[in-house]
Amino acid sequence: AQKITQTQPGMFVQEKEAVTLDCTYDTSDPSYGLFWYKQPSSGEMIFLIYQGSYDQQNATEGRYSLNFQKARKSANLVISASQLGDSAMYFCAMREARFSGGYNKLIFGAGTRLAVHP
Amino acid sequence: DAGVIQSPRHEVTEMGQEVTLRCKPISGHDYLFWYRQTMMRGLELLIYFNNNVPIDDSGMPEDRFSAKMPNASFSTLKIQPSEPRDSAVYFCASSNSRTGRPSPLHFGNGTRLTVT
Repeated sequence: AQKITQTQPGMFVQEKEAVTLDCTYDTSDPSYGLFWYKQPSSGEMIFLIYQGSYDQQNATEGRYSLNFQKARKSANLVISASQLGDSAMYFCAMREARFSGGYNKLIFGAGTRLAVHP
Repeated sequence: DAGVIQSPRHEVTEMGQEVTLRCKPISGHDYLFWYRQTMMRGLELLIYFNNNVPIDDSGMPEDRFSAKMPNASFSTLKIQPSEPRDSAVYFCASSNSRTGRPSPLHFGNGTRLTVT
């Protein structure tokens, strides 16, 4: 079964507008973490933002914020005031904490390609 | 600070040849991960290490793949013999679990492997 689902293969947004990239996840672990990464055309993976399952508030990092709805098991990334440089692939990932040491691998979704138009 | 360093950036080899990919994690990080990225399968975790010890290699596709981490500053992923279906971008990532805070994975720039 898919652990991380990103239902939007591609999205486009007008420069300076906000955009929401969807991510739903599946886990029975009460303790988990959710991450978003950006992969520009140059190929590197850039960490953007993190949300813990017990965090009371939605995470924010500059223009990035995470709309975390625990009951719905969704962790959507919101990019405000889009810039041309935001054009990239965006990956949602989950870390479960079931295993010893409370640390486990990151499982990635299929990604969403975002295109920002001038 | 230097990030995760992978070499080579590009590798082109013929089917049947041995391929060795190299990774130097960020100093002080205690976890190291090898991922493979393809269009068809996305980002797949192959294997990961904690304090140089392999923890989970269930993602290694078959016996042709092997990974080692002889010390805290170096890891290799070896494919022998290589096949065209191994063509992919291979990422190494490291993280530090000892900060007391959730630690993201820091990725290298990847090795683009082409097997002809």
